[in-house]
Amino acid sequence: GENVEQHPSTLSVQEGDSAVIKCTYSDSASNYFPWYKQELGKGPQLIIDIRSNVGEKKDQRIAVTLNKTAKHFSLHITETQPEDSAVYFCAASTGGGADGLTFGKGTHLIIQP
Amino acid sequence: NAGVTQTPKFQVLKTGQSMTLQCAQDMNHNSMYWYRQDPGMGLRLIYYSASEGTTDKGEVPNGYNVSRLNKREFSLRLESAAPSQTSVYFCASSEFGAVANEQFFGPGTRLTVL
Repeated sequence: GENVEQHPSTLSVQEGDSAVIKCTYSDSASNYFPWYKQELGKGPQLIIDIRSNVGEKKDQRIAVTLNKTAKHFSLHITETQPEDSAVYFCAASTGGGADGLTFGKGTHLIIQP
Repeated sequence: NAGVTQTPKFQVLKTGQSMTLQCAQDMNHNSMYWYRQDPGMGLRLIYYSASEGTTDKGEVPNGYNVSRLNKREFSLRLESAAPSQTSVYFCASSEFGAVANEQFFGPGTRLTVL
């Protein structure tokens, strides 16, 4: 089955700086790559996703890049703000329909004031 | 719209007891999922239901059963709880399509098995 590795496990950046979280996947058939943000005591919430036919996607301060050849994808957050502090998860899905997601182990992002 | 709702929010069980976690969605989604989240492990898929009347095993199904009661509701049952099932359980739902779609998550049920 699919295996998703996520790094780093903890990332501390100064407010206003950029943050980058990286993930690799094992199954070349994976075609959907979402990123979720989870705040303490809450369920994960989608912040951005990308499909395998696209190399990059941007939404305001958040961007995701995908390298299918190397089987890795990254989340980029620019101009970080205190409210960006949370745990971020990458995930991958190999199929269509109702296939579940395989998640990375998460990155705890800390924004230092 | 409430989105995905889960009950209860918290539960403490003794080893060997049984319980059912409830999940409901009001987004008219066909597909529903159960995940568990353990510290440092991310979320792992327990069971899923592509559509009403169908259920399939995920990565970690042992010790669990599920019921897709109707299009809105998908329950997870622990027949004989074990300490290894102490976890936070999340239900999710999504549209069914030719490609994977966004999954919407509920707020979770925090379960402790003593």
